[in-house]
Amino acid sequence: DIQLTQSPSFLSASVGDRVTITCRASQGISSYLAWYQQKPGKAPKLLIYGASILESGVPSRFSGSGSGTEFTLTISSLQPEDFATYYCQQLDSYPRTFGQGTKLEIK
Amino acid sequence: QVHLVQSGAEVKKPGASVKVSCKASGYTFTAYWIHWARQAPGQGLEWMGWIDPRGGGTQYAQNFQGRVTMTRDTSISTTYMELSGLTSDDMAVYFCARGRAVAGTRSWDYWGQGTLVTVS
Repeated sequence: DIQLTQSPSFLSASVGDRVTITCRASQGISSYLAWYQQKPGKAPKLLIYGASILESGVPSRFSGSGSGTEFTLTISSLQPEDFATYYCQQLDSYPRTFGQGTKLEIK
Repeated sequence: QVHLVQSGAEVKKPGASVKVSCKASGYTFTAYWIHWARQAPGQGLEWMGWIDPRGGGTQYAQNFQGRVTMTRDTSISTTYMELSGLTSDDMAVYFCARGRAVAGTRSWDYWGQGTLVTVS
């Protein structure tokens, strides 16, 4: 199984900050990586697919990059509604796996 | 607009089975696989398997082999996930999600609202 390791697990930041979350895969997954945002009590929401393609309707302050084994999600200027937990997911092979999550909290 | 609407919360005894439904609307039901995942309290996401609504084909995660069954009813655009032999470790929110399979778009783009399963 492909393991995904996110860092950091917790991130404290302020409105307006630029933040970056990293996701490392235990083996190469090309660009078959997606990023999701989850708020308490809600289902995850797709932000990025294909490692760097912004899902329709997602604000342009979100961006993704990477290929192979190292990927990043960047939020260029944090907004109050961005404080949530973020997950990466690999879609290269089965079983589909997720990172453990990064909880983004308000400083 | 696309919607996936899941059945309501369930409370089950240890050893029992639970069957969660996921009703799709707003798109051609047979055109997209449905994946199931779960999330234990305060934990991350765990993939359980997928079903192809067109032919009914399935693939299950190794962790759930022999305990999970995914089915569909095309007449009402609904998929089902049944999990048997419940233990306290199965207490979680269960999600269905629509999977995009075209190579450049692989992702889960729409999710159900989640179904809380309590085992007690």
